[in-house]
Amino acid sequence: NAGVIQTPRHKVTGKGQEATLWCEPISGHSAVFWYRQTIVQGLEFLTYFRNQAPIDDSGMPKERFSAQMPNQSHSTLKIQSTQPQDSAVYLCASSLGGGYAEQFFGPGTRLTVL
Amino acid sequence: AQSVTQPDARVTVSEGASLQLRCKYSYFGTPYLFWYVQYPRQGLQLLLKYYPGDPVVQGVNGFEAEFSKSNSSFHLRKASVHWSDWAVYFCAVSRTGGYKVVFGSGTRLLVSP
Repeated sequence: NAGVIQTPRHKVTGKGQEATLWCEPISGHSAVFWYRQTIVQGLEFLTYFRNQAPIDDSGMPKERFSAQMPNQSHSTLKIQSTQPQDSAVYLCASSLGGGYAEQFFGPGTRLTVL
Repeated sequence: AQSVTQPDARVTVSEGASLQLRCKYSYFGTPYLFWYVQYPRQGLQLLLKYYPGDPVVQGVNGFEAEFSKSNSSFHLRKASVHWSDWAVYFCAVSRTGGYKVVFGSGTRLLVSP
């Protein structure tokens, strides 16, 4: 079991460019979560999927951010027209589901927007 | 709405000393409570979790936490801190039947020699 895999580990983009972040959840986990972590804001919930269906995207900025889960083996977070304030560590987590289930986190993708 | 407050952004403890990290939650009903740890340049890892029952929960690496409904608290404790405990600790809450977990702002633990 390799755990949650996130690629790339580091990404540098220029202002206005697009960034796509990838997450491979643990096999058999039905829930996938995306978080954003910064020094100032801490750990912010972005969105989550259950059985590949989007359930709650209340934390997603309404413009430029989108997330998909086309199959059970991966999810993507896409940021269009990146801005310097998007610089953060983006964490993906998966779980078996249910409020008591432990979330297993990936190592994160550090996005730097110049 | 459920929320979690970790009032201490940073705590410094001498190696070998005892530790308590504070967590207060706000939730209507019976919560599930968690403590996660984040070591440098890594994702979060579960230390322990609380399910309604025994208020004292044992976790990994000698950590334990005590649930108090009257105080709405779930403080993390360790009898003797090791230098490898240097990390950021997050308290979190979720609800029965839900998937979403709400995290606190984290407490950075510094261990002095």
